[in-house]
Amino acid sequence: GQQLNQSPQSMFIQEGEDVSMNCTSSSIFNTWLWYKQDPGEGPVLLIALYKAGELTSNGRLTAQFGITRKDSFLNISASIPSDVGIYFCAGPQGAQKLVFGQGTRLTINP
Amino acid sequence: SAVISQKPSRDICQRGTSLTIQCQVDSQVTMMFWYRQQPGQSLTLIATANQGSEATYESGFVIDKFPISRPNLTFSTLTVSNMSPEDSSIYLCSVLGGQGMDEAFFGQGTRLTVV
Repeated sequence: GQQLNQSPQSMFIQEGEDVSMNCTSSSIFNTWLWYKQDPGEGPVLLIALYKAGELTSNGRLTAQFGITRKDSFLNISASIPSDVGIYFCAGPQGAQKLVFGQGTRLTINP
Repeated sequence: SAVISQKPSRDICQRGTSLTIQCQVDSQVTMMFWYRQQPGQSLTLIATANQGSEATYESGFVIDKFPISRPNLTFSTLTVSNMSPEDSSIYLCSVLGGQGMDEAFFGQGTRLTVV
């Protein structure tokens, strides 16, 4: 099946810094999704991308759907302590199933 | 987006026992999905639960180990049977929604520890 390669696996940054993570696939995706998971919670959808080249923002978060349809990135600007968590990319795999990246664990030093 | 309630939120169980996890959705949905998230890992789909038919299991997961019920369009259960420490994971219920019905929405998860 399709696989998503997400990097980096972990990030340790200072509060106020910008963050960038990306996701790549060996095959084409028609949708890219970015989720955040807080400790003890289920993943929450941050941004959904449906069109190649699309750039979408949600507050301090910005995500882009790569032109090749095989990649996407998520940026977080001016990080704050509540940004801590695990970020997952995801895309459809077959009919109504999702495949997830390995996750990027974000740690912020105050 | 749908509101999904799961219970229990966490449990500690003895090996060899079984645990049933419940998932309630605030709207009628055709399919409900069960995922497993092992410690420090990503999400892996266990099965798709359809109302009125048997669940469809992914490779590596079998009905005897993870029986699923789907009695109506808003509710499903997942049972983790004959548990071993390797079953210690977060189990997540999910439904689809959004623009292309591609967006997954999740319950808060059930954190299971098997001792």
